[in-house]
Amino acid sequence: EPEVTQTPSHQVTQMGQEVILRCVPISNHLYFYWYRQILGQKVEFLVSFYNNEISEKSEIFDDQFSVERPDGSNFTLKIRSTKLEDSAMYFCASSDGTGWIGYTFGSGTRLTVV
Amino acid sequence: AQSVTQLGSHVSVSEGALVLLRCNYSSSVPPYLFWYVQYPNQGLQLLLKYTSAATLVKGINGFEAEFKKSETSFHLTKPSAHMSDAAEYFCAVINTGRRALTFGSGTRLQVQP
Repeated sequence: EPEVTQTPSHQVTQMGQEVILRCVPISNHLYFYWYRQILGQKVEFLVSFYNNEISEKSEIFDDQFSVERPDGSNFTLKIRSTKLEDSAMYFCASSDGTGWIGYTFGSGTRLTVV
Repeated sequence: AQSVTQLGSHVSVSEGALVLLRCNYSSSVPPYLFWYVQYPNQGLQLLLKYTSAATLVKGINGFEAEFKKSETSFHLTKPSAHMSDAAEYFCAVINTGRRALTFGSGTRLQVQP
């Protein structure tokens, strides 16, 4: 079964450093997403990406966040200057042209900011 | 605005007992509804989804959910709990025309031997 792959599974970074989280969505999917789950809390939507641009973003997704699809397979989330409160599990997801069929999540990257 | 409310942050059942996890939604337009399961230190796995076809939806691992518009509910059930069902369960909603899932706060299911 097709999978969304995220790397690394766990990343530790120092406060103020830039971090890039990587994702390989399902190959024929058109919509790509990032979600965040702070420990013990609900999963929160960050951003959706379609046709090489952001199609929707939440209030969490401020100027310190950016997304990019640098080639035909990868989808990245960059956090410019990490803060302690950015520590969370970050999930990548992708879906097909309808936007919700086959909405598939990766296994996540646990980001720890120290 | 769309939202889901999951009643009960923790549910404990005995092995073999009925599992009932509650989810109520709020949506101004007909929603699509989902249940996801998260095992410890793992990602989100889709259990089942309602997309305006049959109101009773069957999913993986013996779970099912019924969409009740009159009650704005989408409760998850399983007739007989198994130890392997112990996990966190999330209800989520998406509105047609949007792409973002809105998740509930989750229900942790414990299964006692």
